Amino acid sequence: ETGVTQTPRHLVMGMTNKKSLKCEQHLGHNAMYWYKQSAKKPLELMFVYSLEERVENNSVPSRFSPECPNSSHLFLHLHTLQPEDSALYLCASSQGPDRNTEAFFGQGTRLTVV
Amino acid sequence: GQNIDQPTEMTATEGAIVQINCTYQTSGFNGLFWYQQHAGEAPTFLSYNVLDGLEEKGRFSSFLSRSKGYSYLLLKELQMKDSASYLCAVLDSNYQLIWGAGTKLIIKP
Repeated sequence: ETGVTQTPRHLVMGMTNKKSLKCEQHLGHNAMYWYKQSAKKPLELMFVYSLEERVENNSVPSRFSPECPNSSHLFLHLHTLQPEDSALYLCASSQGPDRNTEAFFGQGTRLTVV
Repeated sequence: GQNIDQPTEMTATEGAIVQINCTYQTSGFNGLFWYQQHAGEAPTFLSYNVLDGLEEKGRFSSFLSRSKGYSYLLLKELQMKDSASYLCAVLDSNYQLIWGAGTKLIIKP
């Protein structure tokens, strides 16, 4: 069991739907991340939050909207997605975005856009 | 641009040794990570190298040569449970993790 929990594990949504992914960490970390993982491609960093402030947004389309209400919780709000957005979405946390410490990952949400 | 290269797939036999290579070109260097990811599961941390040389952790070892932009992960006494993807990632000068696409390791009996 990791210290980072993601829900739901699987999600199928239509292009006109709105849904949210949830991530929770119990490790006392200060930084949280959203990654997109597509088959045979490197992990793509989407968003970084440090102490609840967004510190990085890597040119992610506006149909993905992150929210970090506190240092333990992170959400990814989804609306009007495209089929190419189907992927595994991973949440991670670490002690800080500017430190050389390992990241702890959740098990991910497998998203399918139909 | 920044780039991490590692083989897409490797096959090895149970009980044997396998070496997974990773080469990188990044803007600065603050360390290199190896992660293991079983299918459908979270990546889990294996090792971190920031100085040249070999770090050993049980059956797994990781080597780094900063001058060559090269690392490898060495797995000994392979077990079936070692079948997984192995991800190489470099922390650049801005402490941003640059990821390779991963190496899928298949272990055969």
